[in-house]
Amino acid sequence: QAVLTQPPSVSGAPGQRVTISCAGNSSNIGAGFDVHWYQQLPGTAPKLLIYDNISRPSGVPGRFSGSKSGTSASLAITGLQAEDEADYYCQSFDTSLRGVFGSGTKVTVL
Amino acid sequence: QVQLVQSGAEVKKPGTSVKVSCKTSGYTFRSFAISWVRQAPGQGLEWVGWISGENGNTKYAENLRDRVTLTVDTPTSTAFMELRSLRSDDSAVYFCSRIEDLTYHYASGTWFDPWGQGTLVIVSS
Repeated sequence: QAVLTQPPSVSGAPGQRVTISCAGNSSNIGAGFDVHWYQQLPGTAPKLLIYDNISRPSGVPGRFSGSKSGTSASLAITGLQAEDEADYYCQSFDTSLRGVFGSGTKVTVL
Repeated sequence: QVQLVQSGAEVKKPGTSVKVSCKTSGYTFRSFAISWVRQAPGQGLEWVGWISGENGNTKYAENLRDRVTLTVDTPTSTAFMELRSLRSDDSAVYFCSRIEDLTYHYASGTWFDPWGQGTLVIVSS
C-alpha cells in the first residue's frame, strides 16, 4: 500500500486543465521533505517531471507545474494534450530517509 | 550524458535469489547514490532502498530489509541489488536510479533521475 495518496484517475478534454493531488503526513511531506513528480508511459521507466516541488527539468513543457502546501502537493497540467495520457506518481522521503511514492494517477485525455 | 544500464530479464524459482546489476556512466559514481524501485505488473512504484556510491551506506524498505542487499563496485561504477528467498509476489520490474547521496543531502530528500531501463524478474515454479 502506497504511503502517499493520489486519486486513481483524472480525465479532461484537450486544452483543459487537470490537477493531481498527493496527500502525505507529518512524517514525510509535512516534515519538510520536497515532493517530486514522474510521468510513466506504458512499458517505460518513469521520467522526472517536477523536482523540488515546483521546478521543471530542462525539456519538460511549461504546461506542467507543481505546488506544495503543508502535508500535501499537487501537479497541474494546463492545456492538456493527447501525449499527456500516462500514469503520474508523486515521491518524497520520510524522516527515516526511506523513499515514499504515491499510489499513482492515470490521466486520460477524452 | 548520464546513463544507467541494467542487466537482462531473469526467471527464478521460489526460494532462490536474484542479483540485478546497474552499470552507470557519464558522471562521478562516488558523488551520488543509487536507489532501487520495483513495480509489480499493473501496480504502482514501490521503493526498495538506496546505497551511497561513496561509502556504501544503505537504507532499505522495512518490508524487504531482511531479504535485500544493495552493493556497489566502485571501479566499474556498477550497483547491484540482490533479493533472496524469492516469492511469487516479488515478480516485478526492478529499476535503478541515481539520487543525491542522502548521507550528506538529507535535509529535504531528493529526486530520482535518470532511471535505468528496468529489469523484469519473474518468480515462478
